[in-house]
Amino acid sequence: QQQVKQSPQSLIVQKGGIPIINCAYENTAFDYFPWYQQFPGKGPALLIAIRPDVSEKKEGRFTISFNKSAKQFSLHIMDSQPGDSATYFCAASIFQGAQKLVFGQGTRLTINP
Amino acid sequence: DAGITQSPRYKITETGRQVTLMCHQTWSHSYMFWYRQDLGHGLRLIYYSAAADITDKGEVPDGYVVSRSKTENFPLTLESATRSQTSVYFCASSDLAGITDTQYFGPGTRLTVL
Repeated sequence: QQQVKQSPQSLIVQKGGIPIINCAYENTAFDYFPWYQQFPGKGPALLIAIRPDVSEKKEGRFTISFNKSAKQFSLHIMDSQPGDSATYFCAASIFQGAQKLVFGQGTRLTINP
Repeated sequence: DAGITQSPRYKITETGRQVTLMCHQTWSHSYMFWYRQDLGHGLRLIYYSAAADITDKGEVPDGYVVSRSKTENFPLTLESATRSQTSVYFCASSDLAGITDTQYFGPGTRLTVL
């Protein structure tokens, strides 16, 4: 119930392509869905996030698509660049005393020049 | 502008030893969190704190102890380290008590238990 399943584990895309990372959840009580980006040797950093009352959110080249009925959400990266190569984590949270994030397993994304 | 720092960045210890990982933030954020990152599991919440002297368990608290006597510090102690606690540990903080608040992560501590 508390799990967030993320796929694929790894993804290789050519520069300019559109990598898509998918996540699925079971607990309908989740009310916030952030994506984090992590570079090697660094901590994760918030990239973009969405609430379940919205079906899509865009910030620059990054877009979250959210399907509440299917309990799925995905990250799309438009015009991908080698600098986007990183590990991406989806997450879902419930606020119970604090914002408790449940993370997906992570996707290692490589953008080839 | 240090933000959130963790020390040490790397630690090797032996089974059964006590080890403390330090986390310090300069923002005066109310909330602080400890996560562990393992391949195939993403990040999992160990403990969190809503304010000084207020702490609570997360998803995987067993074998860990936390304290928060000052707002800016949130140490994590492994009282008797086990090999299964080999992991990368991240501390995070957030300011407000809101659904959409951003958690800011430190650079991590890589812990190896031999």
